[in-house]
Amino acid sequence: NAGVMQNPRHLVRRRGQEARLRCSPMKGHSHVYWYRQLPEEGLKFMVYLQKENIIDESGMPKERFSAEFPKEGPSILRIQQVVRGDSAAYFCASSRDTGEAFFGQGTRLTVV
Amino acid sequence: QQQVKQSPQSLIVQKGGISIINCAYENTAFDYFPWYQQFPGKGPALLIAIRPDVSEKKEGRFTISFNKSAKQFSLHIMDSQPGDSATYFCAAAIRITGTASKLTFGTGTRLQVTL
Repeated sequence: NAGVMQNPRHLVRRRGQEARLRCSPMKGHSHVYWYRQLPEEGLKFMVYLQKENIIDESGMPKERFSAEFPKEGPSILRIQQVVRGDSAAYFCASSRDTGEAFFGQGTRLTVV
Repeated sequence: QQQVKQSPQSLIVQKGGISIINCAYENTAFDYFPWYQQFPGKGPALLIAIRPDVSEKKEGRFTISFNKSAKQFSLHIMDSQPGDSATYFCAAAIRITGTASKLTFGTGTRLQVTL
């Protein structure tokens, strides 16, 4: 019973590069959420996806950020042309149709 | 209106003491109030949660008190232990669909339990 798996755990990107963060939900979970945590702050909701569908992206920045959850494979959070302000911990959570959302250990993105 | 305000920012409690963390919200559409515990380098882990039709919920040493009219809720950790030293986040959930909710988190309380 593996938990929510995120990789990589740490990612360093230079300004202007692309960052790809991956999230494999728990077995049997079809709902995926992405949250961002800035240093010394709480988590902020970014996007909620089900398989092949974005349901709520109200927390996603309008530019450079995108997310997908394909029929096969992990959910991907993609950040294009990263800037220093994108440095944060990005957490993925997954849930079944009912019940709690479980969080992964996060990907810590550092933009240099 | 989506904010959840959490206090204190940090808390030092002696072993065996009671740790109390408070949260307040504005949006009456929130329908579920969980507390998360986060250790450095780890993701948040659900500790205990309550729905607004209940005024108190207790699980072991952890108790949530909920005041619907005041729109406030709090976490009490009884007999605090050094292993409880972590950052605690309150959260409030609002429905996105019939089966999914999104969480609004407080800013966290860093708890240190001293010997």
